[in-house]
Amino acid sequence: GAGVSQSPSNKVTEKGKDVELRCDPISGHTALYWYRQRLGQGLEFLIYFQGNSAPDKSGLPSDRFSAERTGESVSTLTIQRTQQEDSAVYLCASSLRRAGELFFGEGSRLTVL
Amino acid sequence: QQQVKQSPQSLIVQKGGISIINCAYENTAFDYFPWYQQFPGKGPALLIAIRPDVSEKKEGRFTISFNKSAKQFSLHIMDSQPGDSATYFCAALQTGANNLFFGTGTRLTVIP
Repeated sequence: GAGVSQSPSNKVTEKGKDVELRCDPISGHTALYWYRQRLGQGLEFLIYFQGNSAPDKSGLPSDRFSAERTGESVSTLTIQRTQQEDSAVYLCASSLRRAGELFFGEGSRLTVL
Repeated sequence: QQQVKQSPQSLIVQKGGISIINCAYENTAFDYFPWYQQFPGKGPALLIAIRPDVSEKKEGRFTISFNKSAKQFSLHIMDSQPGDSATYFCAALQTGANNLFFGTGTRLTVIP
């Protein structure tokens, strides 16, 4: 595709359920980022993937959060046992190289009831 | 700890006016300062960026002013238009690091 694609665009779930968010980066982009954007807040770094290197997980807020990416393809962000404070827009971005211009998807809006 | 502090939180400007958004940082190792623009329902998109070897960068109606000694940088939007209404994020990066640190955003409204 032409841009970063994220799905689902909206997800409503009950507290305690697991959710999986998907990101399809721009073809050829080796770097992939996940950010969280809470209402009225800035972008909070979660995790970074660069090619086949070990991911930088330093931003993950708890062990309920995990992410995977195979090579330079699709990434999934998984939140287990969701809590109400997990409600946010989860943004994925890809880049041609580390710390280059980030191209963001439109985000997945998660609402935990 | 907020690595990049941004103000104001919201800004209302008349069409044709100048919009000014300010950011400050503490980490002197930061050496790349981009601004991202986000429209409702969309992801942020790179607007303009500067490195600390220059004090100003201009692209059309958008200008970044950079004060290295004060550790501050600002975005100026000249002749603001209703189509500029969006949320603007400043950011900072240290070369070699993975993480781009974002400010908390400024919601700009340009009224006709």
